[in-house]
Amino acid sequence: GESVGLHLPTLSVQEGDNSIINCAYSNSASDYFIWYKQESGKGPQFIIDIRSNMDKRQGQRVTVLLNKTVKHLSLQIAATQPGDSAVYFCAENIGGYSTLTFGKGTMLLVSP
Amino acid sequence: DAGITQSPRHKVTETGTPVTLRCHQTENHRYMYWYRQDPGHGLRLIHYSYGVKDTDKGEVSDGYSVSRSKTEDFLLTLESATSSQTSVYFCAISESGGGISNQPQHFGDGTRLSIL
Repeated sequence: GESVGLHLPTLSVQEGDNSIINCAYSNSASDYFIWYKQESGKGPQFIIDIRSNMDKRQGQRVTVLLNKTVKHLSLQIAATQPGDSAVYFCAENIGGYSTLTFGKGTMLLVSP
Repeated sequence: DAGITQSPRHKVTETGTPVTLRCHQTENHRYMYWYRQDPGHGLRLIHYSYGVKDTDKGEVSDGYSVSRSKTEDFLLTLESATSSQTSVYFCAISESGGGISNQPQHFGDGTRLSIL
């Protein structure tokens, strides 16, 4: 079947480089944001989240930055590895609601 | 990994037949969700549940129904499958649905459904 990765914006990097994946959101009432990683044939996997009262959060090799002024979210991956190759989605939650709205995703390709 | 099992993992069926997909969780989470994923559309919410027997519609609910008779199981039914429902279906679970206690959704590995 057709891969979910077709027709997506693609970021190609070399192993060891730092990667930055961007996401724009549209609703100023969104107050919780999540980044997911999806490998071929698998479900989305939680990477990191951030609440709107923060502008930066760090995890293991990943950092999420939130700019509420321009409604922009980014995921930084340090020292990118071939195993990081996947589709990355951002998701937003509008305050008070029980559901997420997902972006269409970016494919990250890491060359050895 | 979150304890989420989707079944079947793959199914091929014919137009007009009923199809039921199952999501089973072992985390005792209150919220459960069904999504479909199609190229060019990303993940779209079909239905979700916020407790036993409590469900609500999502963005693309037409042609689908759900049931949740116990905390651990959330069923998605296509009453009369159509070719436009060929897709990959994902179940997700979450401890909380919103507000100040936001928790992420965790996903199963999906069911690939083909309707001929």
